[in-house]
Amino acid sequence: DAGVTQSPTHLIKTRGQQVTLRCSPKSGHDTVSWYQQALGQGPQFIFQYYEEEERQRGNFPDRFSGHQFPNYSSELNVNALLLGDSALYLCASSLIRGRVTDTQYFGPGTRLTVL
Amino acid sequence: AQSVTQLDSHVSVSEGTPVLLRCNYSSSYSPSLFWYVQHPNKGLQLLLKYTSAATLVKGINGFEAEFKKSETSFHLTKPSAHMSDAAEYFCVVSDPSIHGSGNTGKLIFGQGTTLQVKP
Repeated sequence: DAGVTQSPTHLIKTRGQQVTLRCSPKSGHDTVSWYQQALGQGPQFIFQYYEEEERQRGNFPDRFSGHQFPNYSSELNVNALLLGDSALYLCASSLIRGRVTDTQYFGPGTRLTVL
Repeated sequence: AQSVTQLDSHVSVSEGTPVLLRCNYSSSYSPSLFWYVQHPNKGLQLLLKYTSAATLVKGINGFEAEFKKSETSFHLTKPSAHMSDAAEYFCVVSDPSIHGSGNTGKLIFGQGTTLQVKP
């Protein structure tokens, strides 16, 4: 049973560019959440997708956007990259039961470096 | 607003001695609390979770945590440290639903505690 997978593993971009990160959830899961982890910090919630819609969002600018596909996989897009966007981006998948999100399982992350 | 404070940024123990990682939480509702571990260059792994059942929660790899509402604490312990326990540990609280219960899935992480295990 494959766990949460993310691609690419590493990525180097320059300021002003755009980037797309990808996530495939654990088998049987229907919800994907994205987190940003700056060096030496705990992860911070970006947003969560369920039924192909953004269900809730953290305190991130509109430069951060996402998408969920019918097969539950998800993309995170970041436009107009800033140096401060350099971080480990983590994807977590889970299953929603009613209004409640079950335990979240994390992927290995994508390390984004902005030069 | 929900928040967690990990009281130690770095803990160092000798192999075979007990581990104590401290966490205090702040929540307006009955919280769901978690401990996750992150090994270098790896993703986050769930150690254990508390969701208002038993206050003493047992997790993987011999870890356990006790929920103490009166102290708003959720400390992580292990009787005997192993070299493979060296990692970053995160205490996490979930942001409850607008209806005041349940887990909407927004996880709020502490700053992390680095556990060093010396031979």
